[in-house]
Amino acid sequence: DAKTTQPTSMDCAEGRAANLPCNHSTISGNEYVYWYRQIHSQGPQYIIHGLKNNETNEMASLIITEDRKSSTLILPHATLRDTAVYYCIVRVGDNYGQNFVFGPGTRLSVLP
Amino acid sequence: SQTIHQWPATLVQPVGSPLSLECTVEGTSNPNLYWYRQAAGRGLQLLFYSVGIGQISSEVPQNLSASRPQDRQFILSSKKLLLSDSGFYLCAWSRGRVNEKLFFGSGTQLSVL
Repeated sequence: DAKTTQPTSMDCAEGRAANLPCNHSTISGNEYVYWYRQIHSQGPQYIIHGLKNNETNEMASLIITEDRKSSTLILPHATLRDTAVYYCIVRVGDNYGQNFVFGPGTRLSVLP
Repeated sequence: SQTIHQWPATLVQPVGSPLSLECTVEGTSNPNLYWYRQAAGRGLQLLFYSVGIGQISSEVPQNLSASRPQDRQFILSSKKLLLSDSGFYLCAWSRGRVNEKLFFGSGTQLSVL
């Protein structure tokens, strides 16, 4: 699976949009981009995933560049409860999860 | 709806003692099951995964073993714990279909002293 690089940490003001970048320059054509987040001492929570089109759900939006070498997770109105570590993962969309490789992620702090 | 249960939430064990962590999934059948470990301040490391009863694949050779005695039950074990086994252990499941998401349990914080 392609490796991803994310900033170590980011701050965001409460109520503002949080834009979390992820670089995956070696992504293959059949690899999806997944985002998870982990609040302290809890299991990671699925946020969103996509292949090449932008995606939106009730939690966030995922913007994937046309060349698919990078993506951005957008939390439109960040709240204090969005403070967490956010993981960007790329993996082949097969039926096994063993290639969900979690890196160190980005620690997002939402500030009052 | 599907739920995943993992227990205990916290565990303190002496070095050399055995370990048994249990994970069960409800509301689905024939899930893929996974054990991850997270050291303090680090990312998640996949330890074991299983695509069916009695089928276990190990990603990292170490002091731990896993078993799947029933379709929706996954157990992580050790005969003798080491200090380095301390960490946050997470069980996860996914449907055995293409492009499925991972769903995680709430985790077990293991401290080996």
